[in-house]
Order: sequence, then structure tokens, then C-alpha cells
Amino acid sequence: AQSVTQLDSQVPVFEEAPVELRCNYSSSVSVYLFWYVQYPNQGLQLLLKYLSGSTLVKGINGFEAEFNKSQTSFHLRKPSVHISDTAEYFCAVRAYGGSQGNLIFGKGTKLSVKP
Amino acid sequence: DVKVTQSSRYLVKRTGEKVFLECVQDMDHENMFWYRQDPGLGLRLIYFSYDVKMKEKGDIPEGYSVSREKKERFSLILESASTNQTSMYLCASSQGQGVSYGYTFGSGTRLTVV
Repeated sequence: AQSVTQLDSQVPVFEEAPVELRCNYSSSVSVYLFWYVQYPNQGLQLLLKYLSGSTLVKGINGFEAEFNKSQTSFHLRKPSVHISDTAEYFCAVRAYGGSQGNLIFGKGTKLSVKP
Repeated sequence: DVKVTQSSRYLVKRTGEKVFLECVQDMDHENMFWYRQDPGLGLRLIYFSYDVKMKEKGDIPEGYSVSREKKERFSLILESASTNQTSMYLCASSQGQGVSYGYTFGSGTRLTVV
């Protein structure tokens, strides 16, 4: 079985500062990794995903994430945040190979960008 | 773009009522899912379906049932609503066996049971 731990439940940051949202996963098999964003009163939207290949993945809105297999991490980064990035961010993992596997979500990190 | 439409954004229901939450997707996706989202608990899977008339229990199915009579529609049913079912409910869909496809989510239904 897989599990996902998002190490920070809330991250406050000032506008134009860099940010890193941390995600660690646990799995006995290889996995695919995803980051989703949820703006207030909306559903979740896919930010980026790692399936294979380059460990640095670029997504929408200037976000990127790096897959680190040895540390079982998939941290999300942005070099300069905007007020509009205020949202909740979810890391998710899915096993590959074999039968259908559902996405397993972390508990979310609330990013609050202050002026 | 794939659209997943949840019929209501906000609902208020009374304890004991039977509640139907509807979800429709327009891109012929095989898989559909119902989650509930609560502060500090993240998303928890209630039920999912990989095909018409097929359903599987997720992590927290108690007090819920589902119906998938047509491929595009997946309904969540609260047989007898209780106050502890007050929550945000999210529907999602995904393409069939292809793991490379992420999930597409609806905008959510915020249900309050009084």
C-alpha cells in the first residue's frame, strides 16, 4: 500500500518570496506522483505530474517539483509566489503496474501568500 | 477540456433525509470517484466505479451508497443523512487503464446536515 505525508499543514509566505511545499511518500512498488491545487470553494486542479524520465517536472503557474527516489520525496517549489497562489495544495501517489490503482492523497498544505 | 459537473454547489438537508448528490462527466471516462473533504483530514475516498453498474467501496463507505446506471453519471446517496456527514463532497473522473491520466474534479458540493 502507498501513503503520502505532507509535512506542513500551513505555510505562510510573503509575496515574491520563494516557497517549497514538502511531500514524502511510502510505497513498496514504483509510483507515479502528482500535485493538485484547490483554490477557495473550487475542486482540485492538476498542477503537475511525474510519470518517468527527468526528475524535475514543470507544471502550470510557474510551479515545479523534483522527484527524489532515494529520499522518497516529491517537493513542490516556486521561486516567486503571488497573492493568487493562495490555495490548498495536495500531493498524491499512485502505484504503477498491475491492476488499477487509485490515487492516494496527502492531507494538504494551505499556502497563504501575504502582501 | 473534460468537464465534471456536480449538480449543486451548496445543499442544506435535515437529519434523516435521503440525499442525492449528482455528478456528470462529458468525456466518456470509465472511472468515477466520490470523495469527502474535511479540514485536517484531506480527501477520503467513499466509493468508486470503473464501469457502468459497477461500484467498489473506498475507505469510508459507511452511511453512503452509489449508483452508476450510465457511464457519464455517478450518484452518491446518503440513505439517512446525519450531522457527521456535513462536509465538502468532490466527484472526480479519469480515463480507463491509463495511469498517466490524472483525475479531473468537479467544483464540489458543500453539504450541511442540520
